[in-house]
Amino acid sequence: EAQVTQNPRYLITVTGKKLTVTCSQNMNHEYMSWYRQDPGLGLRQIYYSMNVEVTDKGDVPEGYKVSRKEKRNFPLILESPSPNQTSLYFCASSLAAGNTIYFGEGSWLTVV
Amino acid sequence: KQEVTQIPAALSVPEGENLVLNCSFTDSAIYNLQWFRQDPGKGLTSLLLIQSSQREQTSGRLNASLDKSSGRSTLYIAASQPGDSATYLCAVYGYSGAGSYQLTFGKGTKLSVIP
Repeated sequence: EAQVTQNPRYLITVTGKKLTVTCSQNMNHEYMSWYRQDPGLGLRQIYYSMNVEVTDKGDVPEGYKVSRKEKRNFPLILESPSPNQTSLYFCASSLAAGNTIYFGEGSWLTVV
Repeated sequence: KQEVTQIPAALSVPEGENLVLNCSFTDSAIYNLQWFRQDPGKGLTSLLLIQSSQREQTSGRLNASLDKSSGRSTLYIAASQPGDSATYLCAVYGYSGAGSYQLTFGKGTKLSVIP
């Protein structure tokens, strides 16, 4: 089944404790991206990757890192999480930028 | 900077009614527009993608239109059903400056179809 898989789905962590949210797609897509969704603010792009080893900042990259060492994986790294990073995070992928985009189920992150 | 607006933020209709959801965008230089459905606590599912050269796309009971010059798109849902209850988001893909392209989302319209 074609899908985008994120883990963990739910996480409560403490301020400053590094964490990684993994994202994997099995559709051989070139393009992958991360979004956060907050009430009243909608979906905002954090980082995106046009291809392996190519990443770029979205609208809200501060406090996040990404890497794209292989085509199928695009982890999101929070080096020192803060409470304002409490949010619902989505990973997404598409065959190429601008094509139909497929979303993961989301990762609920709470930073206390 | 591209801005995408969806009005109304919420809509409630009786089952069986035909309805239209609206999406407007400020920069008409887009490559395409997508409509998504989001169920509570779930990810987004792409419903329709309209290229900038197209006027409309259809899938089952859904029909999306695009008027690029006026910066508007509509999603028409025929014979609504309770299972259509969800939040519907539109997103436009276009140039965002500094050599990059971006998908910009509206905040969505929450649809409730009453049995």
